Amino acid sequence: KAGVTQTPRYLIKTRGQQVTLSCSPISGHRSVSWYQQTPGQGLQFLFEYFSETQRNKGNFPGRFSGRQFSNSRSEMNVSTLELGDSALYLCASSPEDRDPKVFGPGTRLTVL
Amino acid sequence: GNSVTQMEGPVTLSEEAFLTINCTYTATGYPSLFWYVQYPGEGLQLLLKATKADDKGSNKGFEATYRKETTSFHLEKGSVQVSDSAVYFCALSDWTGNQFYFGTGTSLTVIP
Repeated sequence: KAGVTQTPRYLIKTRGQQVTLSCSPISGHRSVSWYQQTPGQGLQFLFEYFSETQRNKGNFPGRFSGRQFSNSRSEMNVSTLELGDSALYLCASSPEDRDPKVFGPGTRLTVL
Repeated sequence: GNSVTQMEGPVTLSEEAFLTINCTYTATGYPSLFWYVQYPGEGLQLLLKATKADDKGSNKGFEATYRKETTSFHLEKGSVQVSDSAVYFCALSDWTGNQFYFGTGTSLTVIP
């Protein structure tokens, strides 16, 4: 069974640009969550989608957005990148509520 | 609200030493509790879980018991190995199962 895949694995952007990250959950998993991981702030919850609907959103500015497609694949977008957006972005999926989340390897975003 | 508090790191131990990483939580209702491990350059992997009071989760020699009376879920291992060097995250899933709350992570280094 394939795991959670995230593309790209590494990304370098400059301030002001925008970026789109992709996450393919494990087949059959309907919940997809996104997290930002930085050395200073640790793991911070961005948002969670279930069957194409955003159910929860963390405390991030509107520059951070996401969506989920009918095949459960999800994308997150960050517009007008700032230096502080440099982080490891982790995607996690689970079959149903209360199931443990399975994490992907992450996308390492560097903003110059 | 819901939150998880982990002991501060980093923790450095000699091989075969006993490991305890403390984790306490605040939650409404009956959360599920988890320990995740992150090896360098990788995403988070589920290490063990417990879904109700007095449950003991165990995996790869690690154990944690869900203690409702002390709101704790401490991670223990009797004899650590160099390969256990990683960052360990305690997490809870609230009663809805929609959202996970992570601790700040505890870095463990095991030296030969």
